[in-house]
Amino acid sequence: DTAVSQTPKYLVTQMGNDKSIKCEQNLGHDTMYWYKQDSKKFLKIMFSYNNKELIINETVPNRFSPKSPDKAHLNLHINSLELGDSAVYFCASSHGGIGQPQHFGDGTRLSIL
Amino acid sequence: AQTVTQSQPEMSVQEAETVTLSCTYDTSESNYYLFWYKQPPSRQMILVIRQEAYKQQNATENRFSVNFQKAAKSFSLKISDSQLGDTAMYFCAFMKPITNAGKSTFGDGTTLTVKP
Repeated sequence: DTAVSQTPKYLVTQMGNDKSIKCEQNLGHDTMYWYKQDSKKFLKIMFSYNNKELIINETVPNRFSPKSPDKAHLNLHINSLELGDSAVYFCASSHGGIGQPQHFGDGTRLSIL
Repeated sequence: AQTVTQSQPEMSVQEAETVTLSCTYDTSESNYYLFWYKQPPSRQMILVIRQEAYKQQNATENRFSVNFQKAAKSFSLKISDSQLGDTAMYFCAFMKPITNAGKSTFGDGTTLTVKP
């Protein structure tokens, strides 16, 4: 059983388009995250949600809008895609307590043409 | 702001030997959490080991152990009896003790290659 699943795994699209990435976790966690990993493998947090509430919102363009319909889902919508958005996006989840490790999905490779 | 530094972008080790990956961090916090994550070529990030800063005892998980030096702000990962499946990128991460947030700062990673 997949613990943290992201769809799609690959996304190839043109500049200016709008796209969404979905994430679901079946671990019973109440905190979920989105990370961006660039071509040099640098991993940076973008957002985190706890019980559907936004907790962390790093310096991310407002073209990126996360949505958490419930504790088990955290989707990422991106408007007006730019070349610099090309990266691997990871969803993760954890228990909301202090110092809990994160469980990651397989990542979504977004390529902008 | 916290920073995490992994000074070795790439390392290699022969199968069955021991290798140590270094990680240093900068923080003014007295209590925090440290992690090592492994990212194999398949991309999925997997937790390797977790250390609580207020515990002096070094964490151990089978062949993986850490050398946690709080005063030096150092958190190195030792892999004993290296196996081919250990080939991966390893990330060191720092987490502040904030409830319900779990914000982690990651190092830039060390690519480890285990050679047969």
